[in-house]
Amino acid sequence: NAGVTQTPKFQVLKTGQSMTLQCAQDMNHEYMSWYRQDPGMGLRLIHYSVGAGITDQGEVPNGYNVSRSTTEDFPLRLLSAAPSQTSVYFCASTNSEGAFFGQGTRLTVV
Amino acid sequence: GESVGLHLPTLSVQEGDNSIINCAYSNSASDYFIWYKQESGKGPQFIIDIRSNMDKRQGQRVTVLLNKTVKHLSLQIAATQPGDSAVYFCAENWRGADGLTFGKGTHLIIQP
Repeated sequence: NAGVTQTPKFQVLKTGQSMTLQCAQDMNHEYMSWYRQDPGMGLRLIHYSVGAGITDQGEVPNGYNVSRSTTEDFPLRLLSAAPSQTSVYFCASTNSEGAFFGQGTRLTVV
Repeated sequence: GESVGLHLPTLSVQEGDNSIINCAYSNSASDYFIWYKQESGKGPQFIIDIRSNMDKRQGQRVTVLLNKTVKHLSLQIAATQPGDSAVYFCAENWRGADGLTFGKGTHLIIQP
């Protein structure tokens, strides 16, 4: 029972590089979301999706794109990485019992 | 601004004592609240939740209390154990099934 799987666990990027953080869930949840966690800031919502083909912006969407072509997958794309995007990223899959989180991706942009 | 916050960034308790972690929220429309536990290097884990039509909910060794009058949420952990050491976050939901807003977290430290 995998739950929510995020890859990679660690990543170092140079400023201006692009990359995609992968997130997959096997619980058939309609709702998925991406958060970033910074020291002293808690978790902040980046983007979320209420189902395949539907996405919307959260609190801090700038610099990130998402898509939801299937129920299982919800990738987060950084088109041109900036040092301000250095953070730990969590993907969550949600049902009526709450959000279930992946193990996180620690991203450093230099 | 931050709509959900925690009163103390760090809470230190003796092993075996009860712990109380507090949280304040500001959005009256919030109808669902969750407590998460996050151990070092891991993602947040669901502990317990409560809906706005309840004042209290109990789990195994944990109790969540909701006071809607003063917009206050608390997590009580009975007989605190070393494995309870973690950062605890409260979260509120006011924009549907996915719109969780998190507090900044309280680091619970267990003293032997």
